[in-house]
Amino acid sequence: ETGVTQTPRHLVMGMTNKKSLKCEQHLGHNAMYWYKQSAKKPLELMFVYSLEERVENNSVPSRFSPECPNSSHLFLHLHTLQPEDSALYLCASSQDTRGYGYTFGSGTRLTVV
Amino acid sequence: ELKVEQNPLFLSMQEGKNYTIYCNYSTTSDRLYWYRQDPGKSLESLFVLLSNGAVKQEGRLMASLDTKARLSTLHITAAVHDLSATYFCAVYTGGFKTIFGAGTRLFVKA
Repeated sequence: ETGVTQTPRHLVMGMTNKKSLKCEQHLGHNAMYWYKQSAKKPLELMFVYSLEERVENNSVPSRFSPECPNSSHLFLHLHTLQPEDSALYLCASSQDTRGYGYTFGSGTRLTVV
Repeated sequence: ELKVEQNPLFLSMQEGKNYTIYCNYSTTSDRLYWYRQDPGKSLESLFVLLSNGAVKQEGRLMASLDTKARLSTLHITAAVHDLSATYFCAVYTGGFKTIFGAGTRLFVKA
């Protein structure tokens, strides 16, 4: 375990479903991130939260909705996804956002059918 | 827009051999990271390079950073099978962003 825990590890959902991904860190980090890793693309930054406030939304479709209720927890709410949204979704945390590197969770492998 | 290019994207090498993975980036940055990802697993931080000329070594891996050339290298010495993984470089661009390269998939043959 890296200190960043993601659940579930695997998720299969239909295009009309609503589901949520959860991320938890107890490293005392102040920034949390969602990344998308697809088979044929580099890691894509989706959202950044710093001290529970969203500071970056990287032109992500509204069918992805993040939530950060406190500095230890981060959610990604999913609804009406498309098959091309199938990917590995990685949560990461860092001490702050000044670029000292990330600690990644194990990821959620999402399949949209 | 910042581009981070790694090469090669795929590398198959024999155990005991040496090789270098290259990471080029297109804008100024003084902060670069290397990560390792095993199949089905998350990314593990290997090195954080914070200044021009920085060199870090861990076991058979050595990373260096030349900010003037906008180039980082990850050198593998006497490869072993356990090093088989995908290696990513990532460049900090300021603010909240770090841009990742496409990754180099390394396979070390026994």
